[in-house]
Parts: sequence; C-alpha cells; structure tokens
Amino acid sequence: KAGVTQTPRYLIKTRGQQVTLSCSPISGHRSVSWYQQTPGQGLQFLFEYFSETQRNKGNFPGRFSGRQFSNSRSEMNVSTLELGDSALYLCASSLGSGYEQFFGPGTRLTVL
Amino acid sequence: LAKTTQPISMDSYEGQEVNITCSHNNIATNDYITWYQQFPSQGPRFIIQGYKTKVTNEVASLFIPADRKSSTLSLPRVSLSDTAVYYCLVGDRGNQGGKLIFGQGTELSVKP
Repeated sequence: KAGVTQTPRYLIKTRGQQVTLSCSPISGHRSVSWYQQTPGQGLQFLFEYFSETQRNKGNFPGRFSGRQFSNSRSEMNVSTLELGDSALYLCASSLGSGYEQFFGPGTRLTVL
Repeated sequence: LAKTTQPISMDSYEGQEVNITCSHNNIATNDYITWYQQFPSQGPRFIIQGYKTKVTNEVASLFIPADRKSSTLSLPRVSLSDTAVYYCLVGDRGNQGGKLIFGQGTELSVKP
C-alpha cells in the first residue's frame, strides 16, 4: 500500500509570494491533517479535513488555508509569504477519529 | 489536550534498553497515550498507544501506572538507527480527530 505522498518535496519562494502544497493520502483514508515544523516552535497543528470539510483548525493566521477534494487529496495554501513561514510542512492521513495517523515525508519550504 | 513533559535529550549505547518517561499530570479519563518517533527531515511515525497498564508490540513497550499521570516508553536493545526524536502525546482519540498536539519531544542519541 502506498504511503502518504507530498509534492513538491522542496520549494524556494520569496517574501510576498504565495505557495500551494499538495498531499495525497493513503488510499481509503478520509482524514488529512497538516502540520508545520520549525526548530523554534516544533510541530504545530495547522488544520484537519475530513470528507472535504475542515474539522479542526490550529492557531495560525488566515494566510494559511487548505481544502480537500472528493478523492481525499488535500492542498494547503500560504499567501503573502513571510520569512517565518520557512518550515517543514507535514501532511498526515488516517481513516478518521481515533485511528493512527500516517505522515508523509513533508515539503521543505524556504522563504527568501 | 493534556500537556506532557519529557526529558529534552537522552544518550544511550547500542544494545542497551532505553526508557523514556513522560509526565501528564492532567490526563483526562478519555485520554490515550501515544508515542511517535521522528527521524530528521521525515514525518513522525506511530510507535505505540495505550490507555493503562502495559502494551507491547514488535517495536516497543509502554508502561502506564494506575494513576496514569505518567508513562514510560521502553525500547529494548537499541541500535544506532533508533537515534531520533520521540514524542509523547496525550489526547482523546475520538474527540481530537486528526489534531495531534506535539510537545518538545526527547532527542535520543544512540552511540556505538
């Protein structure tokens, strides 16, 4: 069974630009969650989607948004990039509440 | 979600048993205890989950005392490849959905 895939794996952007990251969950998984990992703040929850609906949201500004498609694939978008948005963005999928989350390899975003 | 406290770092040698203790004094009745492992530039990986007493799988054991205010992850006979960050998470599996709250984790270094 294929694992969670994230594209692209690496990305370099400049301040003020916007970026879209993609996540393909494990087949059959309907829940997709996004996390941001930085050396200073650690792993922080961004949001979770389940059956195309945002079910949980972390404490991030509105510049961070996401969506989920009918095939459970998910995208997250960051607009007006700031230097502090440089991070490893991780996506995780699961069957739903109470089930183990499987993480992808992440997308390394660098904002210059 | 209950806050967790773990040692920031631990050192060990190959072949030794490693025990990482996590404190979660405010754990709620419905909360489960879950441990994840993360290698550099990779997403976290589920290791083990438990509610009370002892749970064992092919990778590790999880010991939970009767008051459930702490838990201990036990890694038998560690190898160099066990060098990673280990996270202890506490939460209600059903209500938290896909929202995992990670603490600072314990950086385990295994030496030859």
